[in-house]
Amino acid sequence: QVVLTQSPSASASLGASVKLTCTLSSGHSRYAIAWHQQQPEKGPRFLMKLNSDGSHSKGDGIPDRFSGSSSGAERYLTISSLQSEDEADYYCQTWGTGIRVFGGGTKLTVL
Amino acid sequence: EVQLVETGGGLIQPGGSLRLSCAASGFTVSSNYMSWVRQAPGKGLEWVSVIYSGGSTYYADSVKGRFTISRDNSKNTLYLQMNSLRAEDTAVYYCARVYSGYDLDYFDYWGQGTLVTVSS
Repeated sequence: QVVLTQSPSASASLGASVKLTCTLSSGHSRYAIAWHQQQPEKGPRFLMKLNSDGSHSKGDGIPDRFSGSSSGAERYLTISSLQSEDEADYYCQTWGTGIRVFGGGTKLTVL
Repeated sequence: EVQLVETGGGLIQPGGSLRLSCAASGFTVSSNYMSWVRQAPGKGLEWVSVIYSGGSTYYADSVKGRFTISRDNSKNTLYLQMNSLRAEDTAVYYCARVYSGYDLDYFDYWGQGTLVTVSS
């Protein structure tokens, strides 16, 4: 079954950019994924669907500062012009036969 | 505007039962795939169950045989019946609408969650 791997933590300065990575397990490099954001003490929010060719479609009201890209089995979420409210947990998600799969999440700290 | 509001969480003893509800507005539950996702304290997201628009259901291995997902079309509401609860079922339970695409199903709207605590 497909497995998604994320680094547990990342940090970047206010106003800077950060690139988060989600890696698909072997044999699943063509899978599309979704990115979700979870701010502290809140429910998750859908950010975007990201295809293997790097094309992506964002959820309602998601700022242009959020973008996605792909390379092989890697799926990226780039956040530019970091703001304090971007400090959150970020999860990638995909699917398998009859199941839905999440990565372990990356905790982003805005310095 | 799409809204999902979960209710029904609380403190329950091991072995007990609980039913969660998710009231939807802004769309029709029966026309969409709907799912439950949970998050144990301090942990990541874990998919629990999905119900397709046609009525088919799927479960994570961790809850198979104990949890049942269902919906009431007249109330536009999703349910999760949880039986034989264990301490490891303690989590915030989120209701989510599933966007069903040809190459990916993903959760495009989420509720705010309801906390289930299984403890004696």
